[in-house]
Amino acid sequence: GQNIDQPTEMTATEGAIVQINCTYQTSGFNGLFWYQQHAGEAPTFLSYNVLDGLEEKGRFSSFLSRSKGYSYLLLKELQMKDSASYLCAVVDSNYQLIWGAGTKLIIKP
Amino acid sequence: ETGVTQTPRHLVMGMTNKKSLKCEQHLGHNAMYWYKQSAKKPLELMFVYSLEERVENNSVPSRFSPECPNSSHLFLHLHTLQPEDSALYLCASSQDLGQVTTEAFFGQGTRLTVV
Repeated sequence: GQNIDQPTEMTATEGAIVQINCTYQTSGFNGLFWYQQHAGEAPTFLSYNVLDGLEEKGRFSSFLSRSKGYSYLLLKELQMKDSASYLCAVVDSNYQLIWGAGTKLIIKP
Repeated sequence: ETGVTQTPRHLVMGMTNKKSLKCEQHLGHNAMYWYKQSAKKPLELMFVYSLEERVENNSVPSRFSPECPNSSHLFLHLHTLQPEDSALYLCASSQDLGQVTTEAFFGQGTRLTVV
């Protein structure tokens, strides 16, 4: 079966750095998405990786290793507004999106 | 504001009621989706429409009935629901169905409670 694993919940301190991991076992791979979802709000697009390596976008970076079936989202200089759920999703060989359950990130002052 | 609007934001209904969820997008997208989001579970894809044609139905119970009258509007008609159907129902759109590698735009969802 297809599976996406992410930690259920993480806590970090304002101003610090946090890394949210995502591991996947899917039938094929055509890219990996990260979305951010604030409580009661719509998920919004953060990043898309299809090649190995690190892609940086401001305070957020996303890393992919296809050989390891692994990605992470790195958030730097954490702000209170970064408290949200972070969803990992993989595009499989049939171009279907397989979603993880999301990681709830709690930022403390 | 993502360009995808869902109404109502909250809905409480009895198991014998009939209600409808509405989704509207003005992004010029050709593909629209209904997802179910339950606490601590992955998003579940329910229905996919491309150019107003239903292209996927992921074994969703018949008490959920989608309707896509045009490329900008999507409805989810609900009847005789069960308490386990209580969840956040998200609508999303993307430019084209074949371009799954492009981002999807989500509405804020309808929080449904079945009593």
